[in-house]
Order: sequence, then structure tokens, then C-alpha cells
Amino acid sequence: GEDVEQSLFLSVREGDSSVINCTYTDSSSTYLYWYKQEPGAGLQLLTYIFSNMDMKQDQRLTVLLNKKDKHLSLRIADTQTGDSAIYFCAESAPGYALNFGKGTSLLVTP
Amino acid sequence: DAGVTQSPTHLIKTRGQQVTLRCSPKSGHDTVSWYQQALGQGPQFIFQYYEEEERQRGNFPDRFSGHQFPNYSSELNVNALLLGDSALYLCASSLSPGGEQFFGPGTRLTVL
Repeated sequence: GEDVEQSLFLSVREGDSSVINCTYTDSSSTYLYWYKQEPGAGLQLLTYIFSNMDMKQDQRLTVLLNKKDKHLSLRIADTQTGDSAIYFCAESAPGYALNFGKGTSLLVTP
Repeated sequence: DAGVTQSPTHLIKTRGQQVTLRCSPKSGHDTVSWYQQALGQGPQFIFQYYEEEERQRGNFPDRFSGHQFPNYSSELNVNALLLGDSALYLCASSLSPGGEQFFGPGTRLTVL
């Protein structure tokens, strides 16, 4: 299938902003998602963006989409230790299954 | 609403055995998708069931099969287990095949 690429690891200090990046290759991607996975748990949908949007903000989360470069980012403002988890970028075309990246492990230090 | 539930939580099998994993979708959801998540990897799509039929399938061998029941619950069966089948198996349900997917906590399968 098409590729979704993410950096594997990010470390930030509590209170700073975190930016997690993702690139994808499938031009037919219509929906782009960010999921969070905590140890021993399933996936939690954090937010998603339609491909005809440039930005979406939801409380501490800001998603930016550069469709030309097929680049997606997730910014977490005022990062807390509870935000430590693995973050997955995923894309899909309408009615099709999710295609995930390998995940970015976010470590928030006090 | 209990959300998506999966059973069992953990399972240990030996090579060559067969396994059945179960999933109950979120209330009101009629579509169930299964994903395999190997250690350190993102989830990989196995297949999706809707109206008791396999609607889509990922790049998995025929050893992986499934079923959806009239109450929308689903089973994932894996035959002739290989060491490489060790993974977290995630079930997700949605209101429709293209709808937002809600994930269960997963079943951790270990093949020895």
C-alpha cells in the first residue's frame, strides 16, 4: 500500500509545545487522522482533517495540512506528562480502511 | 455504552495451532474492521465486515479469516499459526463502512 512516514521519537519538556510530523504518498487520501495509543491500550482518535482543509484547531491540538507536499503535522500546546504516548498518523480514501504510519513515541519530561 | 470490547485480553498459542479472537462493536455500529499491530509498528488492516460479508481485505494470507454475526459482533480466525503472527490484534467498529472507527483495547497474541 501507500506509505505513511513519521519520525520515531520526540522528547519535550513539560509546558513546551510538541510538533509531530507525518508525510504520506497517496494522492487519493481524503481524510487524515491522528490517533493516540497509551501503553497496553487501544487507539484513541484525537482529531482528523479533510484534505480540502489547511488547518484545524481543537483545544490544545492544532493540525496543519500541506496537501501539495503531502505533509501533516500535529501540534500539542502546553504539553503535559499525560501526553506521553505513541501518536499515529493515518490516512484513508472515502469508504476505505485506515493506513497507518509506524507511530511517533512522545516522551514528556518534567 | 461499553464501547468496543474484545476477548480474550491475552492469548498464548504454539506454532501450527488455530486461534479465534472475538469483538463486540460499540452499540449501534454495524461495521467491524480488524487490524494487526506488530511490536513497534503501526496497525495493518486485515479486513472489514459489513452486513455479514467481508467488504474489504488487506494484504494478509488466507490463513486469516473472519465472520460477522447478525448482532454485528465479529470473530477473527487464524489457522496454522506462525511465530510472526504474534501481535496485538485490534478491532474497530463504525456506524458505516466509511465512518469514524472506534477501537477496542486489543487482544495480545503470543505464538511460541
